[in-house]
Amino acid sequence: DAKTTQPTSMDCAEGRAANLPCNHSTISGNEYVYWYRQIHSQGPQYIIHGLKNNETNEMASLIITEDRKSSTLILPHATLRDTAVYYCIVRVGEGGKLIFGQGTELSVKP
Amino acid sequence: GAGVSQSPSNKVTEKGKDVELRCDPISGHTALYWYRQSLGQGLEFLIYFQGNSAPDKSGLPSDRFSAERTGGSVSTLTIQRTQQEDSAVYLCASSLVSGGDVYGYTFGSGTRLTVV
Repeated sequence: DAKTTQPTSMDCAEGRAANLPCNHSTISGNEYVYWYRQIHSQGPQYIIHGLKNNETNEMASLIITEDRKSSTLILPHATLRDTAVYYCIVRVGEGGKLIFGQGTELSVKP
Repeated sequence: GAGVSQSPSNKVTEKGKDVELRCDPISGHTALYWYRQSLGQGLEFLIYFQGNSAPDKSGLPSDRFSAERTGGSVSTLTIQRTQQEDSAVYLCASSLVSGGDVYGYTFGSGTRLTVV
């Protein structure tokens, strides 16, 4: 699986959009980009995933660059409850495990 | 069940003892994964089961660690002769693998293991 690079930490003001970047320059054509988050003392929570098109669901939007070497997770209106560690992961399409990096610790501040 | 269930939620054991951690995956999920997370660290992959295929054990840190999945459902992770460095939260996840894609990859709340 391709490796990912994320900033160690980020701050965001409550009510503003949180834009979390991820670099995956060695991604292969059949590798999906997954985003999970982990709130303190809980198991990781699925947010969104995509292959090459931008995706949106009730939690977030995922923007993948045309060359697929990077992506951005967007939380449109961050709340205090969005404070968590956010993990960007790439995974081969046919089953298989997710390999987690260190993630980005997002702090949403009032 | 509605989610991935792990038991016990907390386990304290003495160094050198064996422990068993249990995972009940979501009903119908074909794949099951074990991870561990040491304090302040990211998730470390341990082992992966998919259907009747041989498990991917590439993440097991030593031969003291083993896991089995009976009847394609419940899984038990066993740690023999526990060491203090085994202290961590052990997380289980399950998913449905169908048609080359993965659906519903869901984590349990984990078992916090403390070796004293």
